[in-house]
Amino acid sequence: DAGITQSPRHKVTETGTPVTLRCHQTENHRYMYWYRQDPGHGLRLIHYSYGVKDTDKGEVSDGYSVSRSKTEDFLLTLESATSSQTSVYFCAISDRDTGDAQYFGPGTRLLVL
Amino acid sequence: DQQVKQNSPSLSVQEGRISILNCDYTNSMFDYFLWYKKYPAEGPTFLISISSIKDKNEDGRFTVFLNKSAKHLSLHIVPSQPGDSAVYFCAASGRELRNYGGSQGNLIFGKGTKLSVKP
Repeated sequence: DAGITQSPRHKVTETGTPVTLRCHQTENHRYMYWYRQDPGHGLRLIHYSYGVKDTDKGEVSDGYSVSRSKTEDFLLTLESATSSQTSVYFCAISDRDTGDAQYFGPGTRLLVL
Repeated sequence: DQQVKQNSPSLSVQEGRISILNCDYTNSMFDYFLWYKKYPAEGPTFLISISSIKDKNEDGRFTVFLNKSAKHLSLHIVPSQPGDSAVYFCAASGRELRNYGGSQGNLIFGKGTKLSVKP
């Protein structure tokens, strides 16, 4: 298994509060990704990173920001959480290219009340 | 518009029989296709992939077939086992799409098919 951890694994928060999810990898892969999974929508890309301090938006980036200050860490921040951001969030990594096979973390289940 | 479609939300198969999961795509620039398996409360796991230069790729009980003219791929699991019960996601990407910049070169996922293998 690829060395990817996500923290926290579960979180309950209130609308309007900031939330930060962390993804940590030990594989030294260049590319890192944040997805959300919702019933009926599959996996949708939020943001991705192609290097330290290099990030770009995905399909559903509104309301989210990311930062990558080290190769191994990729943070996803919900500046002001909304109920529509209740979801399961997955981090993924890949080595050679953004279109290559990606390896996923175990996920973070977020509930926004 | 969905570029990668898995039109069957669920599939039920008897243990020992063949499971066939289908996936259609619309973008002719896709040239790499993947299947992922996902158990509840876990992250998706990469299963098998195929490049557009091939029409078949096998790995043990899993075979992926690609029909480029029909823009269709399928995953065959033979024989099916109860442990194969999971959600299966199809994904696609295109090398040329990366030249367009942004997230277009990333993997595009289907919505998934839930496979249930009954003992």
